[in-house]
Amino acid sequence: GQSLEQPSEVTAVEGAIVQINCTYQTSGFYGLSWYQQHDGGAPTFLSYNALDGLEETGRFSSFLSRSDSYGYLLLQELQMKDSASYFCAVRDEQAGTALIFGKGTTLSVSS
Amino acid sequence: DTEVTQTPKHLVMGMTNKKSLKCEQHMGHRAMYWYKQKAKKPPELMFVYSYEKLSINESVPSRFSPECPNSSLLNLHLHALQPEDSALYLCASSQDPGKDGYTFGSGTRLTVV
Repeated sequence: GQSLEQPSEVTAVEGAIVQINCTYQTSGFYGLSWYQQHDGGAPTFLSYNALDGLEETGRFSSFLSRSDSYGYLLLQELQMKDSASYFCAVRDEQAGTALIFGKGTTLSVSS
Repeated sequence: DTEVTQTPKHLVMGMTNKKSLKCEQHMGHRAMYWYKQKAKKPPELMFVYSYEKLSINESVPSRFSPECPNSSLLNLHLHALQPEDSALYLCASSQDPGKDGYTFGSGTRLTVV
């Protein structure tokens, strides 16, 4: 089976930097994905790390350490619109192409 | 077309009703998925179709019955549901779920009364 752990809530102010951590346990690990979901909306794909290191996409970056079974999503220059839930997700041998999602982190950005 | 279209957006059904949820994508994605999501919870995998064949059924009760008529369409047939089945039902598709990620539809918000 697989399990993912991430903090349930994070709060920050506009313009700040926030890091959302994710630790995972899976078999046959392929990579770690991140999704954003606004209230009432559908999840949208943010990033994917298959190899160790940092991937940067605009204000968002994602990091993976396979040896530590750990990754994080880094959000810079926070804006109010970044208030959302953020899910890490893994795909492993048992899930085939399917993703299994962590419990999600609710990010609240205030002015 | 880079979207996954789900219909209906909202559905209220009684416990004795039969209804179907529909999902359509025209991106040529080879895999399609049904997820169930309760409020403040993560999406929970229900079914996976790969090349139009059911590849994963996550021990979902038989009152949920998936169907994949062709590579672009995915249905979820509902029968004799319980109030606890009320949730957001999300359809997603992918070509490479890693580097390209899933494309999710906007979901069907189902209420069972």
